[in-house]
Amino acid sequence: QKEVEQNSGPLSVPEGAIASLNCTYSDRGSQSFFWYRQYSGKSPELIMSIYSNGDKEDGRFTAQLNKASQYVSLLIRDSQPSDSATYLCAADTGGFKTIFGAGTRLFVKA
Amino acid sequence: ETGVTQTPRHLVMGMTNKKSLKCEQHLGHNAMYWYKQSAKKPLELMFVYNFKEQTENNSVPSRFSPECPNSSHLFLHLHTLQPEDSALYLCASRGQEGAEAFFGQGTRLTVV
Repeated sequence: QKEVEQNSGPLSVPEGAIASLNCTYSDRGSQSFFWYRQYSGKSPELIMSIYSNGDKEDGRFTAQLNKASQYVSLLIRDSQPSDSATYLCAADTGGFKTIFGAGTRLFVKA
Repeated sequence: ETGVTQTPRHLVMGMTNKKSLKCEQHLGHNAMYWYKQSAKKPLELMFVYNFKEQTENNSVPSRFSPECPNSSHLFLHLHTLQPEDSALYLCASRGQEGAEAFFGQGTRLTVV
């Protein structure tokens, strides 16, 4: 059974702090990884995609991938209350299939 | 109109009813998906269609019946559902393998 594991949280950080979200995946053949943000009652929206080992930065967001450790993370710098949401980690397992984690709830306190 | 559009947004149905969920994408993508999202559980992949052909049926009960008449439209036909089928049903599309998926707004389904 191919899986993506995330800590369900909630993760609570003060406004302006760095939020660190982590994810592990079981399928060593996965090549594409995604972070989605989902507000309550809404559908997931893409935050970051990452395909190579190392860091990828986009504004306040940095995704990190370590294929040897089968580990993906998302850092949110200068966290804002509007960042409060559930963050879903996803891994492509081939054949147009994407497996999602259960998500980590993030609360940013003003 | 752009993106992925799902209708209806909310649906309440009895266990003996038959209803259908509709998804339409205007992104020119070739792959379309149905996911089920229940409270505190991961998104569950239900069906995958690539170029109108079903490539994945993730052990979904037969009371859920998908239909993909073309690359832009996807339906999920529902009949004799159970209360535990109540969930958010999400449609998504993707342009190529390995690329990100784009989601519709979802249909909140309640089975009574």
